[in-house]
Amino acid sequence: KAGVTQTPRYLIKTRGQQVTLSCSPISGHRSVSWYQQTPGQGLQFLFEYFSETQRNKGNFPGRFSGRQFSNSRSEMNVSTLELGDSALYLCASSSGGGWAGSPLHFGNGTRLTVT
Amino acid sequence: GDSVTQMEGPVTLSEEAFLTINCTYTATGYPSLFWYVQYPGEGLQLLLKATKADDKGSNKGFEATYRKETTSFHLEKGSVQVSDSAVYFCALVYGGSQGNLIFGKGTKLSVKP
Repeated sequence: KAGVTQTPRYLIKTRGQQVTLSCSPISGHRSVSWYQQTPGQGLQFLFEYFSETQRNKGNFPGRFSGRQFSNSRSEMNVSTLELGDSALYLCASSSGGGWAGSPLHFGNGTRLTVT
Repeated sequence: GDSVTQMEGPVTLSEEAFLTINCTYTATGYPSLFWYVQYPGEGLQLLLKATKADDKGSNKGFEATYRKETTSFHLEKGSVQVSDSAVYFCALVYGGSQGNLIFGKGTKLSVKP
């Protein structure tokens, strides 16, 4: 069974640009969540989608948005990039039964560098 | 608000040494608790979990017990290997299926041969 696939693995953008990251969950998983990982803040929850609907949202500005398609694939978009957005962005999928009952499976992440 | 506090690393041990990584939490209600591991260049993997007080999660020789009285979920392993070198994250989730997952800052473990 293929794991969670994130593309691209690396991205370099300049301030003010926008970026779109992609995540393909494990087949059959309907929940996709996104996290930002930085050395200073650690892992922070961005948002979670289930059956094309945003189910949970973390404490990030509106520049961070996402969506989920009918095949459960998800994209995350960051507009008007800032230097502080440089981070590893991780996507995770689960069968959607709630985190206690269905553990998260993470992708290897997309490393975004903003210059 | 709810939070997870882990011991700061890095932790460096010799092979076959005993490992403890401390984790304490603050939460209203009764969260589920997890340990995730991140090997170099990879995403996180679930290592073990416990969903109620006194539950013991175990996997790959690692163990952690959900202690409600001390709000702790310390990770232990009796004999570490070089292959255990990774970053370990303690995490909690509250609110059932609508909850948010909260991670600790992570503890980097290096095991020397």
